[in-house]
Amino acid sequence: NAGVTQTPKFRVLKTGQSMTLLCAQDMNHEYMYWYRQDPGMGLRLIHYSVGEGTTAKGEVPDGYNVSRLKKQNFLLGLESAAPSQTSVYFCASSYQGQGTGELFFGEGSRLTVL
Amino acid sequence: AQSVAQPEDQVNVAEGNPLTVKCTYSVSGNPYLFWYVQYPNRGLQFLLKYITGDNLVKGSYGFEAEFNKSQTSFHLKKPSALVSDSALYFCAVRDRAGSARQLTFGSGTQLTVLP
Repeated sequence: NAGVTQTPKFRVLKTGQSMTLLCAQDMNHEYMYWYRQDPGMGLRLIHYSVGEGTTAKGEVPDGYNVSRLKKQNFLLGLESAAPSQTSVYFCASSYQGQGTGELFFGEGSRLTVL
Repeated sequence: AQSVAQPEDQVNVAEGNPLTVKCTYSVSGNPYLFWYVQYPNRGLQFLLKYITGDNLVKGSYGFEAEFNKSQTSFHLKKPSALVSDSALYFCAVRDRAGSARQLTFGSGTQLTVLP
């Protein structure tokens, strides 16, 4: 009963390096989301997907890219990391859209960009 | 535009006492409202939601919240706090009539229940 799994859980990057965060869910959910959490700012939506092969921009998409090639996976990429991208990243999934369906969250990926 | 405010960064309450975590929202239409809880080094967990119907919503772990349309509030409550309730609580809103299809989260309230 894994739910939503994120890898890696911790990562340290140097400015300009690239990396990919992987999110996997085993609940057959259509909707998947990437958020970032910063102190005092709550969660902000980066990108989301309403189904396999689809992606859309959220509130703070700049500097990130995503892909949803398989229904169960949602990848978040940083092409050229910046210190402003130091944050905790959460993946979430839901059966229904965010209006009515509850979100199921992973345990987070802590990224530090030096 | 939709927004949500959690006016208190920190709430302290003694074990056994009632607790309230405040949330107010702003939407142009009618809201969908949610509460989530985050324990240290964990992801958020769903507590309860208001979609329609009864203004008093009951959720997990003995929590409840009351939707008050006139005051645009959705405060989280529990009659008797436990030390294990200590966590970070987030309110979230989505405007049913708005073009935004995503939730907006508040900045969070750290609840500490003192033994």
